[in-house]
Amino acid sequence: KQEVTQIPAALSVPEGENLVLNCSFTDSAIYNLQWFRQDPGKGLTSLLLIQSSQREQTSGRLNASLDKSSGRSTLYIAASQPGDSATYLCAVFSGGYQKVTFGIGTKLQVIP
Amino acid sequence: SQTIHQWPATLVQPVGSPLSLECTVEGTSNPNLYWYRQAAGRGLQLLFYSVGIGQISSEVPQNLSASRPQDRQFILSSKKLLLSDSGFYLCAWNLRRVGELFFGEGSRLTVL
Repeated sequence: KQEVTQIPAALSVPEGENLVLNCSFTDSAIYNLQWFRQDPGKGLTSLLLIQSSQREQTSGRLNASLDKSSGRSTLYIAASQPGDSATYLCAVFSGGYQKVTFGIGTKLQVIP
Repeated sequence: SQTIHQWPATLVQPVGSPLSLECTVEGTSNPNLYWYRQAAGRGLQLLFYSVGIGQISSEVPQNLSASRPQDRQFILSSKKLLLSDSGFYLCAWNLRRVGELFFGEGSRLTVL
């Protein structure tokens, strides 16, 4: 059974700092990995999707990497802004429609 | 572009009352549709998914049911709500089994 862990559970940083969020998974036989952000009381917004054949994906100030062999993905946020404050979740796709496993998320607070 | 609408956003219902949450996707055809529930401190739990009209797969035996009367419409229902049905319900869609997932804004259900 796939298990997804996100560490730390919460993170507080000053504005402008670069930061890294971590996502680890127990079964390396995955298809894709997707990062989301969730604002309080809202749905999930897709940030990046990394296919299993890719090592990383970039979108603006965000860069996500994937290392299947070690069961890890990282989300790098450059020059953080208060608007980046949200909970960030990763999801691992293990094959079936029902085989998407989500982490609990990292709650990020960027202090002005 | 594709959009997903989910309503109502907030719902307060007495125990034993019926439930109907609706989700509609626009701008695409033949999407895979999903209902998830998110509980505080826990990862998203898949409740139902559908790969086509009238095709529903249930992942968790419980007091809820789902229907897909049209290609881009997904409905979550209950005949009699329980206190334990309270939670945040999210509708999602993708085009491939392991394709990028897109979520609606969510529906907050409180059962009193």
